[in-house]
Amino acid sequence: AQSVTQLDSQVPVFEEAPVELRCNYSSSVSVYLFWYVQYPNQGLQLLLKYLSGSTLVESINGFEAEFNKSQTSFHLRKPSVHISDTAEYFCAVSGMDSSYKLIFGSGTRLLVRP
Amino acid sequence: NAGVTQTPKFRVLKTGQSMTLLCAQDMNHEYMYWYRQDPGMGLRLIHYSVGEGTTAKGEVPDGYNVSRLKKQNFLLGLESAAPSQTSVYFCASRRGDSGQETQYFGPGTRLLVL
Repeated sequence: AQSVTQLDSQVPVFEEAPVELRCNYSSSVSVYLFWYVQYPNQGLQLLLKYLSGSTLVESINGFEAEFNKSQTSFHLRKPSVHISDTAEYFCAVSGMDSSYKLIFGSGTRLLVRP
Repeated sequence: NAGVTQTPKFRVLKTGQSMTLLCAQDMNHEYMYWYRQDPGMGLRLIHYSVGEGTTAKGEVPDGYNVSRLKKQNFLLGLESAAPSQTSVYFCASRRGDSGQETQYFGPGTRLLVL
């Protein structure tokens, strides 16, 4: 079984400042890792994912995450945030069995202030 | 393509009433999932389907039933609604082949059980 921990329920930050959203996971088997973003009153959208290969993955809007197997972490970072990045961010893991079920963390609300 | 759609968008039920939530996808995806989202708990998997005519239990299946009679539709039923089922329900779908692990989410159905 897998589990995901997002320790920070809310992260306030000023516009143009850097941000890191933390994600740690637990699993006895290899996993795929994901970050999803949810804007107010909308469904979830995939931000980025790690399946294999390079441990550093990037999104098209400037976010990046690094898979660290030894620390079982997949933290999300952005060097300079914008007001429009205000949203809730969910880290998720999926086992490699045939169901590909997602196990989500409890979410981190990123609040970007001007 | 409309992607993943959900009906209704919002519903109020009285305790003991029944209802069906409809999820439809036009991407010819094999896998479909139903999640519920509650504050501070992220998304939890209710039921899922790996193909037409198949269903399986997720993390929190009690009080819900599902059916996948057509590949493009995945129905979630509440036979006797309870206040504990007040939540936002999300449907998701994904392709069946390996390497296509991204799940695509609908906009959600907000359910209030009085």
